[in-house]
Amino acid sequence: SQKIEQNSEALNIQEGKTATLTCNYTNYSPAYLQWYRQDPGRGPVFLLLIRENEKEKRKERLKVTFDTTLKQSLFHITASQPADSATYLCALDWSNSGYALNFGKGTSLLVTP
Amino acid sequence: DVKVTQSSRYLVKRTGEKVFLECVQDMDHENMFWYRQDPGLGLRLIYFSYDVKMKEKGDIPEGYSVSREKKERFSLILESASTNQTSMYLCASSPKGTPYNEQFFGPGTRLTVL
Repeated sequence: SQKIEQNSEALNIQEGKTATLTCNYTNYSPAYLQWYRQDPGRGPVFLLLIRENEKEKRKERLKVTFDTTLKQSLFHITASQPADSATYLCALDWSNSGYALNFGKGTSLLVTP
Repeated sequence: DVKVTQSSRYLVKRTGEKVFLECVQDMDHENMFWYRQDPGLGLRLIYFSYDVKMKEKGDIPEGYSVSREKKERFSLILESASTNQTSMYLCASSPKGTPYNEQFFGPGTRLTVL
């Protein structure tokens, strides 16, 4: 069955450092992968989409890489700030639907001053 | 500003009650989705819809049904609420057309079934 794995342990880093979160998947041949941010008690918010033919994508302090050989995406936040503290979810196509998503369980990031 | 709204932020119901969760989007999106989110289990897809009156089962449709009579509104129905349906319910929408569009989420409804 299709599986998405994100590190269940919270990631604690110091302000100003780079946070790196991992998303691994099995039994997928995804054409794309999405990353979302979720704050406590709120719905997820879309951050970035990366397609299979893109190795890397950047948006301000965010960078996503996509390695279809390793079946892995890395999500980086550079110069992290306490306001970046949240849970980050990766998502892949659900059952080849082309529009429904299957989400990983997310990794909690805590950035301390 | 795009918006997905859900009828209630918090809801408490009794076992056996029929429960309606409403979701409305103002973005003219074709696709709408219902998820539930539980600690340790993450977001799980219950049902989704790509058009009015159309519906597709997700991973966990048992005990739920949906209704989409108008494009902007997607309702989740718990036919006979049970305690194991206590959860955070999230609605989302996305536009048709280009595949793999981002989803826009509502604020969620925290449902407690006693």
